[in-house]
Order: sequence, then C-alpha cells, then structure tokens
Amino acid sequence: NAGVTQTPKFQVLKTGQSMTLQCAQDMNHNSMYWYRQDPGMGLRLIYYSASEGTTDKGEVPNGYNVSRLNKREFSLRLESAAPSQTSVYFCASSVGGVRELFFGEGSRLTVL
Amino acid sequence: QKEVEQDPGPLSVPEGAIVSLNCTYSNSAFQYFMWYRQYSRKGPELLMYTYSSGNKEDGRFTAQVDKSSKYISLFIRDSQPSDSATYLCAMSALGGSEKLVFGKGMKLTVNP
Repeated sequence: NAGVTQTPKFQVLKTGQSMTLQCAQDMNHNSMYWYRQDPGMGLRLIYYSASEGTTDKGEVPNGYNVSRLNKREFSLRLESAAPSQTSVYFCASSVGGVRELFFGEGSRLTVL
Repeated sequence: QKEVEQDPGPLSVPEGAIVSLNCTYSNSAFQYFMWYRQYSRKGPELLMYTYSSGNKEDGRFTAQVDKSSKYISLFIRDSQPSDSATYLCAMSALGGSEKLVFGKGMKLTVNP
C-alpha cells in the first residue's frame, strides 16, 4: 500500500527555471494539500484541494500554481523558481474535514 | 503573537525518561488538537488526536489539553531511542484540515 507518493524526491533548479512536483494518493481521499517546510518556520500550507475539481490558496501561495488532475493526483508547479523557494515540499491527503493528514516523504528542492 | 508557539528545542533525554512536550496557542476557537511525529527525512505522521479538552492515552503516550490556559502537552513515558524524532503540534477550529495550524516542531533525541 503506497499511500502518498511524491516525485521527484530531489531536484536542483537554477533561478528562473520551471518545474512540476507530482503527488498521487491511493487511499481514495477527497482532500489533498501541498505544504512547504523550512527550518524555524514549521509547515506552511501552499495550496489545497478540498475535493476533485476545486483548489484554493493556503498561507503562502505566491509563486506557485496547482492542478487537481483527478481524485488521485495533485501537482504543484513553480513557473519561475526563486532561491526563496528552496525548501522541502510535502504533499498530504485526507478523507476530508478535520481528519488525519497522510503525508508523502517529501521533495527536496534547491534553487540556485 | 503567533497563533501556535512551540519551543523548537532540541531536547535530549536518557532512555527511560518521561518526556513532556508543550505548545501554547492564542486562538480560543481551536477545538481539534493533534500531535504529529516526524522522523528524519520522512513526512509527518499522526500520533495523537484530541477533540476539545481533557486527556487521551495511547500506550506510552498521553495527550493533554487545557483550554483555559490555551496549553497542550504530549507526555512520553519510558522513552525509547525509537522515539527520537521531531514532534509537531497542530490545531484547528471547527472546519476543514486546510485550517490546521502547525507548531514549528520540537526535536527530541532519546539516548540509549
């Protein structure tokens, strides 16, 4: 049982390059989330999708876009990467409401 | 004042010690309180979940919520080296998981 799968696990970008982080869950969850985790800042919500077909901004959405491709998949796109986007990115899913979040193992992104 | 405050530590204890981890919060509307555990280079996983006030026990772990003091605690009895991880508190008012506010996390090391 894979749970939440993120790809890639590591990525190095140059300033201005674009990339997409992929996330897929196999638990038939309704809600999916993208967080970033930085030292001293904790987990901060970037975007979320409460259900298939909907997406909403979280706490730190600037510089990112998302797509809820279907119920299983939720991607995060950096259109023009900046050094401030160097972080560890976590995708998570939940049944919905205030429920347990299931996290992926993270994607470590460095922007030079 | 931040909504959720958590001492980031680090905290180092000998095996078998009782560990107390704490968070304070400012939003009196918070009703759902969680503790997540995050091993190094992994995603967070839910450890304990409490609704409203009171205590909840699960094996060696006890979660306490004191809403009058806006203070939550996680106690670990007979701590083990396998408990070495970062512990994040999270809380939410009545609403969806997108409203979760995380503490910054406390890094715990249990020495054999």
